Amino acid sequence: DAGVIQSPRHEVTEMGQEVTLRCKPISGHDYLFWYRQTMMRGLELLIYFNNNVPIDDSGMPEDRFSAKMPNASFSTLKIQPSEPRDSAVYFCASSFPRITEAFFGQGTRLTVV
Amino acid sequence: AQTVTQSQPEMSVQEAETVTLSCTYDTSENNYYLFWYKQPPSRQMILVIRQEAYKQQNATENRFSVNFQKAAKSFSLKISDSQLGDTAMYFCAFIDRDDKIIFGKGTRLHILP
Repeated sequence: DAGVIQSPRHEVTEMGQEVTLRCKPISGHDYLFWYRQTMMRGLELLIYFNNNVPIDDSGMPEDRFSAKMPNASFSTLKIQPSEPRDSAVYFCASSFPRITEAFFGQGTRLTVV
Repeated sequence: AQTVTQSQPEMSVQEAETVTLSCTYDTSENNYYLFWYKQPPSRQMILVIRQEAYKQQNATENRFSVNFQKAAKSFSLKISDSQLGDTAMYFCAFIDRDDKIIFGKGTRLHILP
């Protein structure tokens, strides 16, 4: 397996634009996590899914953020409209139930200007 | 709320020395998993070591070992014979019974030649 695949690796967009981040988890993993990493806050859990169903989205900062997992092999994190304070590295990770660790993608560095 | 605290934002040690990174966590659960992840400049999140809370024996992986004190809710990472390649951000993480993975804010470790 190629691991967790995220796209794009880098995204630069203007304030107010819609941004969509994509993630392909490792085949067979039940869980998918979206994290945001900043210098100030470290790694924050935004939302996670179990078997494509959102379990906890309490970390999603505002209604501007939304996430979907239409099937077991694909998830998106959307920000609409984007703001400069959304600039961060966004990670997707997947795992089996708690027995093993989470496997991370390479992250998407988002810059909103 | 379940939290993970890493009290050392940044550390520096000479190559070949031993260094210990501290981590404390807060939970009311009895069974859980703890992890240390390494994030080198490449941004990739790499699992260093894992500890299951019901196991009293401290986990060891080559030069990496942990000191797990369940009653004190402490989970420190010891790196022996440190190498230049150990330079990275290190994150302590906790998995709760809902399989949610919570990270500390990280410790930036510099190994000096």
